[in-house]
Amino acid sequence: TQLLEQSPQFLSIQEGENLTVYCNSSSVFSSLQWYRQEPGEGPVLLVTVVTGGEVKKLKRLTFQFGDARKDSSLHITAAQPGDTGLYLCAGAMEYGNKLVFGAGTILRVKS
Amino acid sequence: DTGVSQDPRHKITKRGQNVTFRCDPISEHNRLYWYRQTLGQGPEFLTYFQNEAQLEKSRLLSDRFSAERPKGSFSTLEIQRTEQGDSAMYLCASSLSSGDGVYGYTFGSGTRLTVV
Repeated sequence: TQLLEQSPQFLSIQEGENLTVYCNSSSVFSSLQWYRQEPGEGPVLLVTVVTGGEVKKLKRLTFQFGDARKDSSLHITAAQPGDTGLYLCAGAMEYGNKLVFGAGTILRVKS
Repeated sequence: DTGVSQDPRHKITKRGQNVTFRCDPISEHNRLYWYRQTLGQGPEFLTYFQNEAQLEKSRLLSDRFSAERPKGSFSTLEIQRTEQGDSAMYLCASSLSSGDGVYGYTFGSGTRLTVV
């Protein structure tokens, strides 16, 4: 079983639609990060959230860290084909020194 | 600095052969991580270094895998007697840290290993 459960596993939407990706766990994390990965490349860091309840915005992307620091969400407004990719959440355990990754959400935005 | 570099990008090897991958991290970063990623999965932790010290190794990692980071700069990951199950993308990442805590990783483009 995955320590971090991401949902949905796959999402195919039309350009202009909104979407939300979820990352859930029963464990508490000291921080949580979101990455985007394109085929054949390494993941690229989008954001780090540290404080429970924290909300961060990056252009059309909104990231939220749950109050209990066990879950997070990524919301994309008016998706564009360039948003297509694999979105990964990754958590740092308290007193840990590495990231644990979810299985990822494959997003496909059709024009 | 051009980021994290990994070499080679692709490696095809016969079962039973040994392979070695290299990672050059961002020069200011003191932590270096190795992860493995298979199709449809997120990266899975293998091992990490703080400077030249290997501080943690996954219990899932068999003794056929070994990693080094001489002088706290580049790192190598060696797989001995490769098996078909070793086929995966091997990702290296580096980060800058002070004390406890985990900071954003910068990943390389990975080495895609295919064992035939």
